[in-house]
Amino acid sequence: GDSVTQMEGPVTLSEEAFLTINCTYTATGYPSLFWYVQYPGEGLQLLLKATKADDKGSNKGFEATYRKETTSFHLEKGSVQVSDSAVYFCALSGQGAQKLVFGQGTRLTINP
Amino acid sequence: GAVVSQHPSWVICKSGTSVKIECRSLDFQATTMFWYRQFPKQSLMLMATSNEGSKATYEQGVEKDKFLINHASLTLSTLTVTSAHPEDSSFYICSAHQRTGGGYEQYFGPGTRLTVT
Repeated sequence: GDSVTQMEGPVTLSEEAFLTINCTYTATGYPSLFWYVQYPGEGLQLLLKATKADDKGSNKGFEATYRKETTSFHLEKGSVQVSDSAVYFCALSGQGAQKLVFGQGTRLTINP
Repeated sequence: GAVVSQHPSWVICKSGTSVKIECRSLDFQATTMFWYRQFPKQSLMLMATSNEGSKATYEQGVEKDKFLINHASLTLSTLTVTSAHPEDSSFYICSAHQRTGGGYEQYFGPGTRLTVT
């Protein structure tokens, strides 16, 4: 079945550092890919998404590119802030499906 | 933006009792809602898909008689954990599905932490 594997955390960086959180997936066909963020005490929020190969999703300085050849959707940000501290989830929904399959989540802590 | 609430945010109950968790879409109607379970330091596991006016669709391995789901209106779905046991202690998260310009999007509630003693 479909699955998502993402970089294990926790990840700790200093403010203004470059961030990469790796995400790879296994799915048949052409899934849609998502990154969700969960801030402390809050529900998951959609951060960005891409629905077809080579699409780049971007939001709040974060970017991820749908790479079908490597089945990856790595999350990047050029300069992180303390306010980016949260848990990040990579997810996919299969072609034509509504259900989401999540990776295990990566806890990110940014120190001032 | 679309807001989904859950109630209660946390609950402690005794083994053998039942607990009901509510999931509400506050500013939109949702024909489909999803219930997830999240274990510490693990991912969200889909338990079931809740459809307004019809029976829920459960994922493989999820006991439908233990986790009762009711989606009686377009803004409310409930999950009842029946005869709860300590192994049911977990973080339960719901989401509501809404059609957007680019397709569908899921909006998540803040979660309910259940502790069974």
